[in-house]
Amino acid sequence: GNSVTQMEGPVTLSEEAFLTINCTYTATGYPSLFWYVQYPGEGLQLLLKATKADDKGSNKGFEATYRKETTSFHLEKGSVQVSDSAVYFCALTTSVGTDKLIFGTGTRLQVFP
Amino acid sequence: NAGVTQTPKFRILKIGQSMTLQCTQDMNHNYMYWYRQDPGMGLKLIYYSVGAGITDKGEVPNGYNVSRSTTEDFPLRLELAAPSQTSVYFCASSGLAGLQETQYFGPGTRLLVL
Repeated sequence: GNSVTQMEGPVTLSEEAFLTINCTYTATGYPSLFWYVQYPGEGLQLLLKATKADDKGSNKGFEATYRKETTSFHLEKGSVQVSDSAVYFCALTTSVGTDKLIFGTGTRLQVFP
Repeated sequence: NAGVTQTPKFRILKIGQSMTLQCTQDMNHNYMYWYRQDPGMGLKLIYYSVGAGITDKGEVPNGYNVSRSTTEDFPLRLELAAPSQTSVYFCASSGLAGLQETQYFGPGTRLLVL
C-alpha cells in the first residue's frame, strides 16, 4: 500500500543551523509529494509540493526535491529561525481515486536562539 | 475570505454523549475532508465528500457520520462518544480532484472524551 515514513523527532537546532528532515515514501503509480507545516495551536498549511520526479518545491527558504530513484522527498533549509519551530508533515497523493492525502507521522522541529 | 472554519475549538464529552463538529468553507471547493490527529501520529482520513450530496468513508470511519447538504458545510457527527475518539479533528477542502490540488485546513477541534 501507499505510505510515508518520516524521521522521528524532535529535531532540536540552534538558530541559523542547517535543517534536514528525511521523508521516504512507498506508492503505486506516480504520486505528488507535499510538505505541510503545523505551527503551535494551528491547522496544517501547505509549505511546498512537487508533482513529478526531479521537481524541486520551495517556499520560505525551505526546499525539497522529488527523487524517484530513492523514493525520497527530504526537506531542507539552510538557516533556520526560531519562528520555524513547528511540526512538519510529509504527505503524498496518488493517481488512484480522489486526491486523498496520506500523511507521515510528523517531525517536531524546535529551534533555540 | 475566512477559508476553512471549525467550531467548537475545544469540547469535553462524557462517554455515550453525542455531538456535531461543524466545518464551513467559503472557497466554493467541491472536495471536503475530515481527519483526526492522535498524539504523535499523522493525520488519518475519517470521511470525505466530492460534492454536495456525496460522501464516502476514509480510513477510520467507525463511530462517525457525515452529511453534505451544501457545498459550504460538512459537519461530522459523533453519536456515542468513546474515549478512543479523544483526538484533534481537522476539516480540509480542495477545489478539484487531481494530484496538484492543495488541501486547505481549518484550525482544528480538540475533543476530550471522559
